[in-house]
Amino acid sequence: DTEVTQTPKHLVMGMTNKKSLKCEQHMGHRAMYWYKQKAKKPPELMFVYSYEKLSINESVPSRFSPECPNSSLLNLHLHALQPEDSALYLCASSQVAGGHTVFNEQFFGPGTRLTVL
Amino acid sequence: AQTVTQSQPEMSVQEAETVTLSCTYDTSESNYYLFWYKQPPSRQMILVIRQEAYKQQNATENRFSVNFQKAAKSFSLKISDSQLGDTAMYFCAFLYSGAGSYQLTFGKGTKLSVIP
Repeated sequence: DTEVTQTPKHLVMGMTNKKSLKCEQHMGHRAMYWYKQKAKKPPELMFVYSYEKLSINESVPSRFSPECPNSSLLNLHLHALQPEDSALYLCASSQVAGGHTVFNEQFFGPGTRLTVL
Repeated sequence: AQTVTQSQPEMSVQEAETVTLSCTYDTSESNYYLFWYKQPPSRQMILVIRQEAYKQQNATENRFSVNFQKAAKSFSLKISDSQLGDTAMYFCAFLYSGAGSYQLTFGKGTKLSVIP
């Protein structure tokens, strides 16, 4: 299984809602990533988990709250988002090499298209 | 800070022809990684090819090859025998990961269209 799955595919939420994005992989990867991608722009790294611990937080606002319940799952909890947070949210996973979160070949999920009204 | 520049926002190529996408970067590090990622219209990002800076030999993956010029800080992607399925956004990415620091930077992308 070389697939990263993400649910839901599409999400529309209001600014007062609380929702969660889910990402799952069964490749035995111990590094997982969240990216935000605006239309026609490159992905922007948000968070990196290594061995289920948050290792990188790219100064993301606290209205985004990541969680890694186990080595296969990665969640992104959303609360009080703004319309400018509308984007494609990509999850990725990779192996960890040499004890560092080296960005080996990353396997990306299809993304969740988020619209904040 | 590292920067990655893809100077060609859009390119097109005839099917079966060869096309080269350019990427330049700026860094003071000596050990790093470079990647080309492909994002087709369906949006799922796929790694096309990777290059470790300490390796002088250019990476190749089937129809995809790179021309890595470390001194010039250039990392171009050559696609041979272009196929319709190669139509996608292509992102060049730079990664440095060292003790206590890392840097991952994507270029702005090149939109490649393969014309039948």
